[in-house]
Amino acid sequence: GENVEQHPSTLSVQEGDSAVIKCTYSDSASNYFPWYKQELGKGPQLIIDIRSNVGEKKDQRIAVTLNKTAKHFSLHITETQPEDSAVYFCAAHRNQFYFGTGTSLTVIP
Amino acid sequence: DGGITQSPKYLFRKEGQNVTLSCEQNLNHDAMYWYRQDPGQGLRLIYYSQIVNDFQKGDIAEGYSVSREKKESFPLTVTSAQKNPTAFYLCASSIVGDSYEQYFGPGTRLTVT
Repeated sequence: GENVEQHPSTLSVQEGDSAVIKCTYSDSASNYFPWYKQELGKGPQLIIDIRSNVGEKKDQRIAVTLNKTAKHFSLHITETQPEDSAVYFCAAHRNQFYFGTGTSLTVIP
Repeated sequence: DGGITQSPKYLFRKEGQNVTLSCEQNLNHDAMYWYRQDPGQGLRLIYYSQIVNDFQKGDIAEGYSVSREKKESFPLTVTSAQKNPTAFYLCASSIVGDSYEQYFGPGTRLTVT
C-alpha cells in the first residue's frame, strides 16, 4: 500500500518567517494530496489540497507544491502568525487516504 | 468541524465493555470514515463506507465494528476484543467521485481503564 513520510516532526519559526513542511509518497498512482491543520483536542481541518495534474497551488499565505517525478509535495506558509501554531498533516489518496505522522509547528511571537 | 458531529467528546469505559461512538453528518456526503489517532502515528483508517448498508475494513479494523443504516450516520463500536482501545477517534465524510475533499468531526477521546 501507500506510504507517506512527513518531515520535520517539529518546527519552530519566528513570527513573520516562512515555514516549510515536506512529504514523500511511494505509490505513483496516488492522485490527490490534501493538507490538514489540527489544533489541540480538535478534528483536522482541510487547509489546502492539490491534484496530480497540478504543480502548485496558492491560497493567500499558504501554498502547496507537487513534484510527481520525485513523489514529494510540500506545504509553504509565509508571513507566519502565532495562530498558525498547530499540528499539520499531509495525506495522499490512492483508493483511500494515507496520512503522514504530522508536524508540530510553533510560531514564536 | 463543518456539518459532522461526534458525541460524546470524552468517553470513559472499563476494560471488557463494548462502547459505541456516534458520528452524524448533514453534508449529504455518501462516504464516511473512522480513523484512530495515537500520538506520533498520524491517522489510521479503521473502517469506511461509500454507500448505505455497505462498508469496508481499513488498515486496523480488528476489534472494531460499524454499521451504515442511514446515509447520515456511521456509528463505531469498540469491542472488548480491541487490545488497546484508548485513543482519539475521528469520523470524516466526503463526496464519492472526482472530488475527494474529506471533512472531519471534532473527535471523541476514549479512555479505557
